[in-house]
Amino acid sequence: GAGVSQSPSNKVTEKGKDVELRCDPISGHTALYWYRQSLGQGLEFLIYFQGNSAPDKSGLPSDRFSAERTGGSVSTLTIQRTQQEDSAVYLCASSFGQGSTDTQYFGPGTRLTVL
Amino acid sequence: ILNVEQSPQSLHVQEGDSTNFTCSFPSSNFYALHWYRWETAKSPEALFVMTLNGDEKKKGRISATLNTKEGYSYLYIKGSQPEDSATYLCAFISAGYSTLTFGKGTMLLVSP
Repeated sequence: GAGVSQSPSNKVTEKGKDVELRCDPISGHTALYWYRQSLGQGLEFLIYFQGNSAPDKSGLPSDRFSAERTGGSVSTLTIQRTQQEDSAVYLCASSFGQGSTDTQYFGPGTRLTVL
Repeated sequence: ILNVEQSPQSLHVQEGDSTNFTCSFPSSNFYALHWYRWETAKSPEALFVMTLNGDEKKKGRISATLNTKEGYSYLYIKGSQPEDSATYLCAFISAGYSTLTFGKGTMLLVSP
């Protein structure tokens, strides 16, 4: 497709369940980012993939959060044993280069609600 | 922890009004500043990437200026239209880093 896509668009889950969120970046983009926006907060960086390098996981809030990027393309963000404070909009973005001055193109997000 | 502040938090103007908002960021170790527009139910859309002190960018009725020495950027919208209603986000990158630190945004509502 022409843009970044994410699925599902909405996810409602019960506390304690695991969830997987998917991101399809723009073809050819080497950098991929995950962010989340909790209610009343700004976009918060979670994790960054650049090519074949080890990901920058410095933004992951706890060890319940993990992400992988298969074949340098699709990425999956996994949240284990979800908590109510995990409720947020999770956004994925990709960029052609390293991202510092390259425009990041965002997907539409996944709205996660943990009951 | 980097502190990126945006003001005002929200703004309500009439169609045709011109408006501006502010993004404040650390003045040391500046590398780049990004501006995004995020309309409800859509993806954030890039407006500008600014890197040089004194830089001014323009896209239609929207323009932005950058002062890296004092750590602020202004976003201006001339003759606001209802379709400009959105949240405007700025994001800062420090030298040596590749990840963006976002402000909480300014929510703009333009009434017809």
